[in-house]
Amino acid sequence: DTGVSQDPRHKITKRGQNVTFRCDPISEHNRLYWYRQTLGQGPEFLTYFQNEAQLEKSRLLSDRFSAERPKGSFSTLEIQRTEQGDSAMYLCASSPGGIQYFGAGTRLSVL
Amino acid sequence: GEDVEQSLFLSVREGDSSVINCTYTDSSSTYLYWYKQEPGAGLQLLTYIFSNMDMKQDQRLTVLLNKKDKHLSLRIADTQTGDSAIYFCGRSQGNLIFGKGTKLSVKP
Repeated sequence: DTGVSQDPRHKITKRGQNVTFRCDPISEHNRLYWYRQTLGQGPEFLTYFQNEAQLEKSRLLSDRFSAERPKGSFSTLEIQRTEQGDSAMYLCASSPGGIQYFGAGTRLSVL
Repeated sequence: GEDVEQSLFLSVREGDSSVINCTYTDSSSTYLYWYKQEPGAGLQLLTYIFSNMDMKQDQRLTVLLNKKDKHLSLRIADTQTGDSAIYFCGRSQGNLIFGKGTKLSVKP
């Protein structure tokens, strides 16, 4: 068990570009969550998958954000037309039900 | 006010006990959690407590839950410099709802 893996660890992009992050959950964890964390704040929930179904989205997830989990294993989070306000740490967590285990996160900087 | 509230800073001397406090407004959560975050890293689960428990002890960590007052605390015994980090209190609602974190500084 290698834990939750996120790639890349850091991403620097220019405003208006699209970015995509990947999360590999702990194997056999059927639940996968995305959170966003800005400086000085706790993580805030973005979206949740159970297997391949996206069951919940936060109001923070604007229409520029899209997440997928096509085969119920890894997940991707795409941000289109990035804005400076999207700069944050994007955290993924997986769970067998109950306790959530977090990855190291992807830090996005939008210039 | 915020759903989950924590004091922002705590400073202790090495070897002392640290107590980090958290209050929350919604008592419907099944689990309450403490996570630790070191600079540039993700969240590491430290411990959790079921909402029907009052106390849980795990080595140097003691969690106390006062359901009546909606108050959760984490006590770290014999605090070490390696315990310096940000500690997040969280409650479950399917997803997790976190406080803003308490930055623990341990002075040698």
